[in-house]
Amino acid sequence: EAQVTQNPRYLITVTGKKLTVTCSQNMNHEYMSWYRQDPGLGLRQIYYSMNVEVTDKGDVPEGYKVSRKEKRNFPLILESPSPNQTSLYFCASSRTVNEKLFFGSGTQLSVL
Amino acid sequence: DAKTTQPNSMESNEEEPVHLPCNHSTISGTDYIHWYRQLPSQGPEYVIHGLTSNVNNRMASLAIAEDRKSSTLILHRATLRDAAVYYCIHPGTYKYIFGTGTRLKVLA
Repeated sequence: EAQVTQNPRYLITVTGKKLTVTCSQNMNHEYMSWYRQDPGLGLRQIYYSMNVEVTDKGDVPEGYKVSRKEKRNFPLILESPSPNQTSLYFCASSRTVNEKLFFGSGTQLSVL
Repeated sequence: DAKTTQPNSMESNEEEPVHLPCNHSTISGTDYIHWYRQLPSQGPEYVIHGLTSNVNNRMASLAIAEDRKSSTLILHRATLRDAAVYYCIHPGTYKYIFGTGTRLKVLA
């Protein structure tokens, strides 16, 4: 089944403790991206990757890192999480940038 | 950046058609117009997309204005399962900017 898989589904952590949210797609997609969703603010893009060689910042990249060492995986890294990064995170992928996006099920992160 | 304007909310009666509008005044000639929806407690899901001409699929129809500055998502017969937040975007410069979308309420 074609899908985007995010893990974990829920995560509670403390301020400053490094964490990684994984994202994997099995559709051989070139384009992958990360979003955060906060009440009243909609979906905001954190980072995107056009292909294995290219990643770039979205609208809210501060405090986040990403890695695209292989086509199928696009982990989101929070080196030193802070409470303002408490949010619902979604990973998404598409074959190319103008084609439909497939979303993961989301990761609810709480930073205490 | 590619930004769109949508009404915050709309209501429809069940079994009636729904027309969800979107303005995308900054769209460039090669940007496709995408529509997604997000059901409660789920990730967004693709609905439809198109470039210039009107598009139909099993979920909805997409009507695109001749100047491409606006589009309308048409749900031909709204059901309670269509209650969701609908997002119109056009992925300019590789960024899919979603905004806050239109919350559709379907009345039984």
